[in-house]
Amino acid sequence: QQQVKQSPQSLIVQKGGISIINCAYENTAFDYFPWYQQFPGKGPALLIAIRPDVSEKKEGRFTISFNKSAKQFSLHIMDSQPGDSATYFCAASTGFQKLVFGTGTRLLVSP
Amino acid sequence: EPEVTQTPSHQVTQMGQEVILRCVPISNHLYFYWYRQILGQKVEFLVSFYNNEISEKSEIFDDQFSVERPDGSNFTLKIRSTKLEDSAMYFCASSEDLYNEQFFGPGTRLTVL
Repeated sequence: QQQVKQSPQSLIVQKGGISIINCAYENTAFDYFPWYQQFPGKGPALLIAIRPDVSEKKEGRFTISFNKSAKQFSLHIMDSQPGDSATYFCAASTGFQKLVFGTGTRLLVSP
Repeated sequence: EPEVTQTPSHQVTQMGQEVILRCVPISNHLYFYWYRQILGQKVEFLVSFYNNEISEKSEIFDDQFSVERPDGSNFTLKIRSTKLEDSAMYFCASSEDLYNEQFFGPGTRLTVL
């Protein structure tokens, strides 16, 4: 019940395209859903986060869509750029306490 | 911009040896965390620490692990007798309080031979 399932495992998108990564959770006590971006050799960096009282949050080219009834949330990267090539992790927590991470999606944006 | 720092960046040790991984959290942060990431796998929570005590720990954080805040700036993770399966990236994170995001350090790559 503590798991967060993430898909796809890897994704190749053309420059300018839309990247979509999906996550699903079981624990209804989760109330904070961040997305982290990780470049090789670096620590995860917070990209964008959402609380379950809203269904969508947009920051620049990055949008989180949240479906509370389905217990799913997704990251959309609009106008994907080669510099977006990284591993993306969804996560969930109760409050801002221990983060439960998804398994990661390796995104490659081809020029 | 303030950041979490970790040393060393890479530690190689022999199985059975003790290692101490060091972290300097962001200065006004009060909550500290250790996570680990085995190569190619997801990031896993190890322990959280507040007010000089462990707040929560995972099943991974057994008696071989300990954490300490020896002074006002450092936060350490000690592994008493390393095993091959302890080889991983270890990330320190900190947050201002329980209602703010966690900031991660760059990690220490631990290799146990």
